[in-house]
Amino acid sequence: DTAVSQTPKYLVTQMGNDKSIKCEQNLGHDTMYWYKQDSKKFLKIMFSYNNKELIINETVPNRFSPKSPDKAHLNLHINSLELGDSAVYFCASSQERSYNSPLHFGNGTRLTVT
Amino acid sequence: GESVGLHLPTLSVQEGDNSIINCAYSNSASDYFIWYKQESGKGPQFIIDIRSNMDKRQGQRVTVLLNKTVKHLSLQIAATQPGDSAVYFCAENIRKTSYDKVIFGPGTSLSVIP
Repeated sequence: DTAVSQTPKYLVTQMGNDKSIKCEQNLGHDTMYWYKQDSKKFLKIMFSYNNKELIINETVPNRFSPKSPDKAHLNLHINSLELGDSAVYFCASSQERSYNSPLHFGNGTRLTVT
Repeated sequence: GESVGLHLPTLSVQEGDNSIINCAYSNSASDYFIWYKQESGKGPQFIIDIRSNMDKRQGQRVTVLLNKTVKHLSLQIAATQPGDSAVYFCAENIRKTSYDKVIFGPGTSLSVIP
């Protein structure tokens, strides 16, 4: 029973392509997030959604568009992929706001842009 | 600006010894702090948390200490085991009016020598 699951686990694509990463949580949490982890393991928040509403958009290029069809899903679509987009992308969720509860992470999607 | 963490990228300890991982945070308004463990190929996993009205919290083999005066957080692992080898992140929750944001430190890689 995976709590936060994201697909695919690996994604290799060429510059200029468009790709999507899917995320689902079965924890009944209200808030979901996307984080980007670079090659030095630094984790940076990209987006946060609460009950399908965008809460945080951390100056991410508008080539990145999150979509939340319901509160259990938060997908990430990336247009016109660039070399610098290569990273591991983590989806996470938390019960209500994060001042009250820790984040639960998926196992990541390793995106490689060639 | 927002920043969490000291640049202590690696820590090697002998199996059975105690480990101490340190972290600094910069936002005095942060009210909730969390330690995560990230094993290779997986997402960060919650270890222990502490609220700003506490200075110490203990779990099973782990203790978190919070010193708000100097904005310092530490994670102590007792009797370190090979399974403790991972990257450890401290994180702080920055509380805004209508949302919260969890900022991660740069991470410390712990290697346990058998």
